[in-house]
Amino acid sequence: GAVVSQHPSWVICKSGTSVKIECRSLDFQATTMFWYRQFPKQSLMLMATSNEGSKATYEQGVEKDKFLINHASLTLSTLTVTSAHPEDSSFYICSASVGEPGELFFGEGSRLTVL
Amino acid sequence: GQNIDQPTEMTATEGAIVQINCTYQTSGFNGLFWYQQHAGEAPTFLSYNVLDGLEEKGRFSSFLSRSKGYSYLLLKELQMKDSASYLCAGMDSNYQLIWGAGTKLIIKP
Repeated sequence: GAVVSQHPSWVICKSGTSVKIECRSLDFQATTMFWYRQFPKQSLMLMATSNEGSKATYEQGVEKDKFLINHASLTLSTLTVTSAHPEDSSFYICSASVGEPGELFFGEGSRLTVL
Repeated sequence: GQNIDQPTEMTATEGAIVQINCTYQTSGFNGLFWYQQHAGEAPTFLSYNVLDGLEEKGRFSSFLSRSKGYSYLLLKELQMKDSASYLCAGMDSNYQLIWGAGTKLIIKP
């Protein structure tokens, strides 16, 4: 199957700093990638849809100035959490669709802890 | 509104069979998906149903009834490694996935 790699897996940072998470499609080109946030014991919450070469589409309630998404190439999308605060601590996951819509392949996820 | 309902937690015995149910309400319908998610890991795709009926894939099968807005995931010959959360997701007319909260499956020896 298609491989999506996410980095870093774990990150701990101080409040007020910015954190960048990378999502790469290793063996295919992904024109669209999706960014999710998952709090403990809750389902995936779609944050935004990242489109190569254009602006990301953010879900309602997600601050686009706080969660910066850049899809600079067909194999790389980045999520930057700017001025992170403890309430931003969560599991962030990216995914890409190959073939059938909805058949998503997920990155390993990035666990962010903001102190 | 759009909604996905599935039980919060289920317990089953190693070697047995378990059925995880999911009911959905979406604006339009473009398929029903099941994903497996082990604790602390990202989800992995299990199945996709868009037509009524049963799709079998080894020990896992998924069923869909569009008229009832209902799906189930059937796991046979349960193994300890099947302990995970199982996420049901419906795809709406805009090809957006609406996610359920997941069913935590606990397998006991």
